[in-house]
Amino acid sequence: QLQLQESGPGLVKPSETLSLTCTVSGGSINLYYWNWIRQPPGRGLEWIGYIYNRGETSYNPSLKSRVTISADRYKNQFSLSLRSVTAADTAVYYCAKENAVWFGEFGFDPWGQGTLVTVSS
Amino acid sequence: QSALTQPPSASGSPGQSVTISCTGTSSDVGTYNFVSWYQLHPGEVPKLIIYEVNKRPSGVPDRFTASKSGNTASLTVSGLQTEDEADYYCSSFAGNNNLVFGGGTKLTVL
Repeated sequence: QLQLQESGPGLVKPSETLSLTCTVSGGSINLYYWNWIRQPPGRGLEWIGYIYNRGETSYNPSLKSRVTISADRYKNQFSLSLRSVTAADTAVYYCAKENAVWFGEFGFDPWGQGTLVTVSS
Repeated sequence: QSALTQPPSASGSPGQSVTISCTGTSSDVGTYNFVSWYQLHPGEVPKLIIYEVNKRPSGVPDRFTASKSGNTASLTVSGLQTEDEADYYCSSFAGNNNLVFGGGTKLTVL
């Protein structure tokens, strides 16, 4: 059974870089879409971006200038880097898979448990 | 890009039906049939309950149905049960390998 687990610092200082890793077990990240999604406290979900197959990426236009998603296929992990963070980036960050040929077709399933990242000095 | 518009709250009594709307634009919901719905219980992982407008993943009760008309998608929960009380989010493909979520609807079972 495919499982995803986020890891990384729970506290990041303003203006620094938020870095998270999603470790995938029970399946390879060499296929399909591997996504990052976040939910700020008391607010809705926001799609951050994905990495796909051979390394193609796509990002939410509102975050594109600050985001990089990369993959380590030997470790079966993919990572999120969000630069120049502010308090507005405080959120629960989820990684999730989409098992589809066309992005958006089949929805995100499964999801990791999520990890809370707080931006504060 | 703007979030899809959902009512902040919805409610119904056990056994009743409730419908949650999700309004987008011709750039997302109105053009693409890649609309999904997610159920979020507090402290739990989001659960996919609908994909491709009206398809249910294995294991999702058929009390959950969905549709789309123009720029608006809808989720209907029939035969409400107490465990249906949760937050519900829609999402839509928005072109250019982009995706947008709705603002979420808190469903209360009275």
